[in-house]
Amino acid sequence: GQQVMQIPQYQHVQEGEDFTTYCNSSTTLSNIQWYKQRPGGHPVFLIQLVKSGEVKKQKRLTFQFGEAKKNSSLHITATQTTDVGTYFCAGFTGNQFYFGTGTSLTVIP
Amino acid sequence: EPEVTQTPSHQVTQMGQEVILRCVPISNHLYFYWYRQILGQKVEFLVSFYNNEISEKSEIFDDQFSVERPDGSNFTLKIRSTKLEDSAMYFCASSGTGKGPYGYTFGSGTRLTVV
Repeated sequence: GQQVMQIPQYQHVQEGEDFTTYCNSSTTLSNIQWYKQRPGGHPVFLIQLVKSGEVKKQKRLTFQFGEAKKNSSLHITATQTTDVGTYFCAGFTGNQFYFGTGTSLTVIP
Repeated sequence: EPEVTQTPSHQVTQMGQEVILRCVPISNHLYFYWYRQILGQKVEFLVSFYNNEISEKSEIFDDQFSVERPDGSNFTLKIRSTKLEDSAMYFCASSGTGKGPYGYTFGSGTRLTVV
């Protein structure tokens, strides 16, 4: 079945350090979305990537979609304590999104 | 900003009982979804609903599960005979189109505890 894996599962960083999470799919995706879930909260949509090799930026966040449309990454520059949460990718294939396993980010002040 | 509303926020039920989880999607959205998240794990797709019928469902969504849109605003998930392993956070989501680009808007979830 469809698998969307993310690494790392957990990441602890000192405030101000950079953070990257990687998302890998077992099949080619038509598009990919990223969500952030704060502790105890619900997933909140961040962005969608559609084109092969696409790169999008939102302030300190940089999202990339791989050339083969099977992987994606989210990079946060100079993390802040407000970045704490779990970051999920969700790859669209067929008729539904498959959520990745998530990366839980802890930012140490 | 429009929200997806879910009730109740927490439901405790005895094993074997029926539960109905309720959702009010964003009013002009066309696609509706149920996901669940077992504590500390990833978000799992259950079912998508469009044009008053199920468009996709996962292997989790077996005969014990059903969805309804009884009126123009509510979208419900029913579990007929709950099992201990049904304990999870259940999220309703809606979107304007099946593929975004605006992404899914998730509700705050219903935490279901089966005892």
